[in-house]
Amino acid sequence: QLVLTQSPSASASLGASVNLTCTLSSGHSSAAIAWHQQQPEKGPRYLMKLNSDGSHSKGDGIPDRFSGSSSGAERYLTISSLQSEDEADYFCQTWGTGIGVFGGGTKLTVL
Amino acid sequence: EVQLVQSGAEVKKPGESLKISCKGFGYSFTNNWIGWVRQMPGKGLEWMGIIYPGDSNARYSPSFQGQVTISADKSINTAYLQWSSLKASDTAMYYCASDVLTEHWGQGTLVTVSS
Repeated sequence: QLVLTQSPSASASLGASVNLTCTLSSGHSSAAIAWHQQQPEKGPRYLMKLNSDGSHSKGDGIPDRFSGSSSGAERYLTISSLQSEDEADYFCQTWGTGIGVFGGGTKLTVL
Repeated sequence: EVQLVQSGAEVKKPGESLKISCKGFGYSFTNNWIGWVRQMPGKGLEWMGIIYPGDSNARYSPSFQGQVTISADKSINTAYLQWSSLKASDTAMYYCASDVLTEHWGQGTLVTVSS
């Protein structure tokens, strides 16, 4: 069964960096994912697509502070030079065996 | 510029039917998958299903199979999500989302089901 696992919460200080993790379930470690950001009271916003080899393509207007990487079944979203507007929920998404799935989301708090 | 424009908010009673829409602009609607995502109040994103307008091939999450119907009219670049009998638990924000790995989101349609 295709499942994406994310930690429910993360926190980091203003100006610091943070890594958010999305883990693919067994047997799906080669799948590509997409990362999305949802700021409070707003709709989701596409950040990037991330392949198993770590290559990624970002959406229009996404700052260079956002980057992605991969290792095995893990897909990472790194946000550097954290700003207050980065405080948001972050969701990963994938597709396999004819259906899609979202991770449970990580709520990022900027201290 | 790709845009997905959804129909407006709805307030319905339990048992009523509903069909909400999502119109695509700025890309080949017929040749790209378009899906629906539910977000219940205070909760995460749930993938409901997806359709390929070119041949109306629709796929559903097991959680939503039989609960909703996804359709599309490629002549007017519009996808639909419909319910035949709403429940209070269908109260949520619904987003349309481009492709299997979404790059473009609709603005959302709030559906409120209350007696």
